[in-house]
Amino acid sequence: NAGVTQTPKFRILKIGQSMTLQCAQDMNHNYMYWYRQDPGMGLKLIYYSVGAGITDKGEVPNGYNVSRSTTEDFPLRLELAAPSQTSVYFCASRGDWGYEQYFGPGTRLTVT
Amino acid sequence: RKEVEQDPGPFNVPEGATVAFNCTYSNSASQSFFWYRQDCRKEPKLLMSVYSSGNEDGRFTAQLNRASQYISLLIRDSKLSDSATYLCVVIGNTGGFKTIFGAGTRLFVKA
Repeated sequence: NAGVTQTPKFRILKIGQSMTLQCAQDMNHNYMYWYRQDPGMGLKLIYYSVGAGITDKGEVPNGYNVSRSTTEDFPLRLELAAPSQTSVYFCASRGDWGYEQYFGPGTRLTVT
Repeated sequence: RKEVEQDPGPFNVPEGATVAFNCTYSNSASQSFFWYRQDCRKEPKLLMSVYSSGNEDGRFTAQLNRASQYISLLIRDSKLSDSATYLCVVIGNTGGFKTIFGAGTRLFVKA
């Protein structure tokens, strides 16, 4: 049981490049979330999903896109990377009962 | 006013000390409350849920005061391994039970 996995662990992008951050969970959770955490700051919600085929914007969605074609996977797409997107990205999931979120190990992204 | 506010610290305490963190929230209709722990460069992990009646887990005690809209976390007999950032988390009652994370309080426990 791997829980929530994220790839890659680290990535350096040049301004204007695109990439997809992968997130997968094996707990059959319907709810999945993408957060970013800037140094010394709290988590900010980018996008979330309440089930396969359903996604919605969070607090800071600009510059990102998501899809949820399966229950297990919730990739985050960055188009035209900007230095302001330098951050640590966490994916999380939770079950239908209770509110505890389980987090992946994060992806550290630097845009230069 | 931020939806969830925490004292950023850092709190520097010696081993064995008792330390308390507070967190205030703005939405009086918030449903559920938690404390998470985040180690340096790691993901957040659930520490404990917070109930109105108060709850205890070993050296950790969490309390909720709905009237004053704050939650607290008390750590007794601090250990070096307690050094981390403690995140206050509040679940709203709208927007799909929106989860709001506080910015965290940093704790350093020194020998």
